[in-house]
Amino acid sequence: AQKVTQAQTEISVVEKEDVTLDCVYETRDTTYYLFWYKQPPSGELVFLIRRNSFDEQNEISGRYSWNFQKSTSSFNFTITASQVVDSAVYFCALSEKFTGNQFYFGTGTSLTVIP
Amino acid sequence: DAGVIQSPRHEVTEMGQEVTLRCKPISGHDYLFWYRQTMMRGLELLIYFNNNVPIDDSGMPEDRFSAKMPNASFSTLKIQPSEPRDSAVYFCASSPGVAGLLNEQFFGPGTRLTVL
Repeated sequence: AQKVTQAQTEISVVEKEDVTLDCVYETRDTTYYLFWYKQPPSGELVFLIRRNSFDEQNEISGRYSWNFQKSTSSFNFTITASQVVDSAVYFCALSEKFTGNQFYFGTGTSLTVIP
Repeated sequence: DAGVIQSPRHEVTEMGQEVTLRCKPISGHDYLFWYRQTMMRGLELLIYFNNNVPIDDSGMPEDRFSAKMPNASFSTLKIQPSEPRDSAVYFCASSPGVAGLLNEQFFGPGTRLTVL
């Protein structure tokens, strides 16, 4: 079973539109961390955010915001007023403190922002 | 401060040849990770080290793959013999502190391996 599901394989939006990338995770651990990474066309993976399971506060960083809801096991990522530079593949990831020694990546969502 | 350094950036080899990928983690980071990325399987964690000791190699696909970390500033991932299905981008990442997998990881630029 997939630990991290990113159901949206590809999304295209027009510049300045808002876009939300979905992430649903599965874990039996009570302590875990969730991450988002960005992989631009150049190929490197860039860390965006880390959130632990005890902190359900939403986070905003500039045009980026994250909505963590334990009740639905989701950690969604919203880009407001998207820009062409936001075009990338975005990965959600899960790490469990006690029950696993693995770092689970989702399959990624490819975002294209059209000028 | 230099990030994670990987070499080579690109490698093209023929089936059956030995391939060695290299990684220099960020200085002071206790954890080092090797990942493989393919279109079919996405990002897979192959193995990770803590203080130069391999902790979990359950992601290593088969015995043809081996990884070492002889010191805190260097790690290798070796494939012998290589096969076309090993073609992928291999990433090295490092992470600070004792939280290991719970910390954010800093990725290198990757090595694009093509096995003909």
